[in-house]
Amino acid sequence: QVQLQESGPGLVKPSETLSLTCAVSGYSISSGYYWGWIRQPPGKGLEWIGSIYHSGNTYYNPSLKSRVTISVDTSKNQFSLKVTSVTAADTAVYYCARLVRLHFDYWGQGTLVTVSS
Amino acid sequence: QSVLTQPPSVSAAPGHNVTISCSGSSSNIGNNYVSWYQQLPGTGPKLLIFDNTKRPSEIPDRFSGSKSGTSATLGITGLQTGDEAEYYCETWDSSLSAGDVVFGGGTKLTVL
Repeated sequence: QVQLQESGPGLVKPSETLSLTCAVSGYSISSGYYWGWIRQPPGKGLEWIGSIYHSGNTYYNPSLKSRVTISVDTSKNQFSLKVTSVTAADTAVYYCARLVRLHFDYWGQGTLVTVSS
Repeated sequence: QSVLTQPPSVSAAPGHNVTISCSGSSSNIGNNYVSWYQQLPGTGPKLLIFDNTKRPSEIPDRFSGSKSGTSATLGITGLQTGDEAEYYCETWDSSLSAGDVVFGGGTKLTVL
């Protein structure tokens, strides 16, 4: 069974960098598929942030591209997200998920990140 | 403002049937597969439908998906109180770059 688990600080100060990691178990990232990050502001809908292949090839949401970096560490079977210059608008539950062709089949439980001083 | 348009809410009584629409364009739904997700209150999204019409093995056949042109539809038959949730459609959009994942704004299903 594929499992994903997000981890990282739950509170980030404005203008600082948000950093999250997604640990994958039950499947080797090196075996294939894309891996993605999706976020959901409180009371709002889902927003795709970006996706990465095990080779490091990435796709980013154009609206976030200037502030987002997604990287992969195949030796640890995990991938990571960095969002720079955060504001209150970046407060959200952040999910990691496996992207199979055009759908996300396995999701993490999500982690709430609050941007506040 | 999402490029995929869903009704904000739908409602129906237990045992009844309901459909949820997802409208897009030729740059997204018109040329790509559509997926649907269920998000129960306080939980993360769960894949319901992929490749327009396919269900993961654990999803009951009360849930179905269809696509026609630039619109897709999720159908739920024999509504149960446990189906009360937020539902999202998702596909790829190639209008801005090589391919971006896009979600609909979500539809809140209330089982009266």
